[in-house]
Amino acid sequence: QKEVEQDPGPLSVPEGAIVSLNCTYSNSAFQYFMWYRQYSRKGPELLMYTYSSGNKEDGRFTAQVDKSSKYISLFIRDSQPSDSATYLCAMSVSSGTYKYIFGTGTRLKVLA
Amino acid sequence: SAVISQKPSRDICQRGTSLTIQCQVDSQVTMMFWYRQQPGQSLTLIATANQGSEATYESGFVIDKFPISRPNLTFSTLTVSNMSPEDSSIYLCSVEDRGPYTDTQYFGPGTRLTVL
Repeated sequence: QKEVEQDPGPLSVPEGAIVSLNCTYSNSAFQYFMWYRQYSRKGPELLMYTYSSGNKEDGRFTAQVDKSSKYISLFIRDSQPSDSATYLCAMSVSSGTYKYIFGTGTRLKVLA
Repeated sequence: SAVISQKPSRDICQRGTSLTIQCQVDSQVTMMFWYRQQPGQSLTLIATANQGSEATYESGFVIDKFPISRPNLTFSTLTVSNMSPEDSSIYLCSVEDRGPYTDTQYFGPGTRLTVL
């Protein structure tokens, strides 16, 4: 079993839809959770990060961490064609280690 | 957040040759990281580069194949040596941002390498 599992998609939604992207993980020691957006032929861009459990909101984006279920989500409200990209989740055990474990990424396409 | 640039952005190389990728950061950072991203796969850490010390390589990666330099706190290079088509990939450098409740990494734009 991989440490981090992420549905590769592709996921196609109409413009304006609410998008839910998810990752599951097996290591209960993960404390830091990140979402990256990667456009084609570009490096990953940090979108959201969360420490421990709970929700974090930034504009149209909400990151949610459920440590009891070992499950993290990224919600995108009012999705736009410009949101079309690959979304990678990442997590690390704690500050003091540089080991980040990345999901394989979910490819999202928002149709105009 | 740090601004990271990489050179070259892409290259097509012949089997058996070597390519050196440069990574420049706009601020001083302690640790820099080199990743490989193969098509359809997640990011794989190649090595961690601290200024003034030897790079630390992950399992499956060796210094002879991927020599790394870290001459100062804003710059690093990764060389892909004696290339084969299996080395075709995107190579990314990154830096960390660490604080009491922060532990994230910022990535450069990547170098897309094709080996013929």
